[in-house]
Formats: sequence, C-alpha cells, structure tokens
Amino acid sequence: DAKTTQPPSMDCAEGRAANLPCNHSTISGNEYVYWYRQIHSQGPQYIIHGLKNNETNEMASLIITEDRKSSTLILPHATLRDTAVYYCIVRVANTGFQKLVFGTGTRLLVSP
Amino acid sequence: NAGVTQTPKFQVLKTGQSMTLQCAQDMNHEYMSWYRQDPGMGLRLIHYSVGAGITDQGEVPNGYNVSRSTTEDFPLRLLSAAPSQTSVYFCASSSVPGPLDGGYTFGSGTRLTVV
Repeated sequence: DAKTTQPPSMDCAEGRAANLPCNHSTISGNEYVYWYRQIHSQGPQYIIHGLKNNETNEMASLIITEDRKSSTLILPHATLRDTAVYYCIVRVANTGFQKLVFGTGTRLLVSP
Repeated sequence: NAGVTQTPKFQVLKTGQSMTLQCAQDMNHEYMSWYRQDPGMGLRLIHYSVGAGITDQGEVPNGYNVSRSTTEDFPLRLLSAAPSQTSVYFCASSSVPGPLDGGYTFGSGTRLTVV
C-alpha cells in the first residue's frame, strides 16, 4: 500500500468547513483513497472513499487531484462531535483481504 | 442496529488465564479481522478471515487463536494471557473492497488489562 502523509493536527471553528489534506504521491492506478476517523476510545469509523472522481456522502466530501497524488477530506459544517483523529489510507480494491494500515493521522480539534 | 458487536467491553485477567473475546456482525460481510491498538502504535492486525472456515495470521498472531464457524461470528481466544497483551482490541468486518463497498465496520472495542 502507498504511504500517506497528513498534518499532525488542525483546528477548526464550529460551523466552519474543515479541510483535511492528505498526500499519497506514490499511489498506484488501482489504489483507492479511504478516509476513517477515530473518536476518542471508540473504534475507527469509515467516512468515504474514492478512486479518481470527487465523492460526496452524508458525512463528507472527498476531493482527489487529477494526478491522484493528493486528496482533501471536507467536513462542510464541522461540529464539536467531529473532533477526532482522521486517517487517510490507500489500498487496492477488488482483490483479496488487505489489512488496514493506519498512519498517525490528523488530530482535528473543533472549537466553539 | 446493524453493525459489529464486541463483548465484553472491559476485562481484567490474571497472567496465565485464558479467555475469549466475542465478535459478531449482522451485515453478511465476508471479511472479518481482529486488531489491537496500543498507545502510540496504531492498529496492528492479529488474525483475519475471508469467509467461514478460512482464517489466516496477521502481523502479531502469537498468543491468539481464532476460528470462523459461521459468517456472523469471529471469536478471538487468548491462550495464556500475558501483561504484553494489555491493549484495546477491535473487531472489524467488511465486504469485498470495491467501488461500492462501505469500508470496514469496527466494533466498539474490548479493553483488556492483564495483571
């Protein structure tokens, strides 16, 4: 799996958009970008994933650059409950089992 | 609610004792796995299964056994607990990864302390 690089921490005001970047410059053509988050003491939670097109669901939007070397997770209206560690992971899809490799992630602090 | 259920949530064991951590999912997922999370070390894969009757080792399998007799259940057995196994254990399930998959679903964790 390609390695990812994320800033260790970010701050965001409640109600504002949180934009979390991720670099994955060695990503392969068949690797997807996945985002998870882990709220303190809870199990990681899947947020969104994509290959090369931008994706949106009820939780967030994922913007992937045209060269696929970086992506941004957008939480459009951050709330205090979005305070968590956010992990960007790249992995091959449509194959057998692959373990998830969580890096250090970005610790997002949403403040009132 | 659909999801992954882990029991117990908390457990204290004495060194040398054995126990089983339970994991059940109701989403008909093919893949199930066990991770442990230690402070500052991220999640490490212990064992995994790609279907009933099929299991394999992850990166830290020593001291643990698994079996998968049904699609729904994937218990993790500690054979002889050691203080080094003090950790938070997460069970996860997923369908075959692809464009439409919903990622991994994790349980809420079992916090195990071995004294």
